[in-house]
Amino acid sequence: AQSVTQPDIHITVSEGASLELRCNYSYGATPYLFWYVQSPGQGLQLLLKYFSGDTLVQGIKGFEAEFKRSQSSFNLRKPSVHWSDAAEYFCAVEGNTDKLIFGTGTRLQVFP
Amino acid sequence: NAGVTQTPKFRILKIGQSMTLQCTQDMNHNYMYWYRQDPGMGLKLIYYSVGAGITDKGEVPNGYNVSRSTTEDFPLRLELAAPSQTSVYFCASRQGTLTSDNEQFFGPGTRLTVL
Repeated sequence: AQSVTQPDIHITVSEGASLELRCNYSYGATPYLFWYVQSPGQGLQLLLKYFSGDTLVQGIKGFEAEFKRSQSSFNLRKPSVHWSDAAEYFCAVEGNTDKLIFGTGTRLQVFP
Repeated sequence: NAGVTQTPKFRILKIGQSMTLQCTQDMNHNYMYWYRQDPGMGLKLIYYSVGAGITDKGEVPNGYNVSRSTTEDFPLRLELAAPSQTSVYFCASRQGTLTSDNEQFFGPGTRLTVL
């Protein structure tokens, strides 16, 4: 069965600092991996996705993520965080079931 | 092109009441999904549909029903509302089976409280 773990419930960073949000997945084959962002009171927006090929994927808003098969991880990174990045971030995995499985989310707080 | 729209935005129900959450997409997507989001729990799939006339259960279908009579609409029905159904509900759609150039698009959500 597919599953996703986001170990950090809440992360606080200063504006301008670097950011890494962790995501670990469980899936028997090569998964399709996603990061979504949810601003308060809003729906989910896709930041980036991994299907195959280059394990470092670039997304919108300056985010990137690296797929590491050996660690079953797909961590999200940003070199310099802006106050507008404060939001909740969800990692998700999909295999061949046409269904996304979401992690429990990481809430990012940014201090000026 | 409005994308995925949901109505209402907010609703308060009494225990035992029924209601329908509406979801419409104008992208001619075949696949549609209903999720619920509870604090600290991420999104859980309630029901999904791969085309008009075809629906299937997700992870948490109990207490809900769906129908898909058209490509555009995918309403979610709560027959006997219970406090455990207090949640934020999201509808999403996708063109078809997963490929590298499609994704799920999400609506803005419906916040439901059952008292």
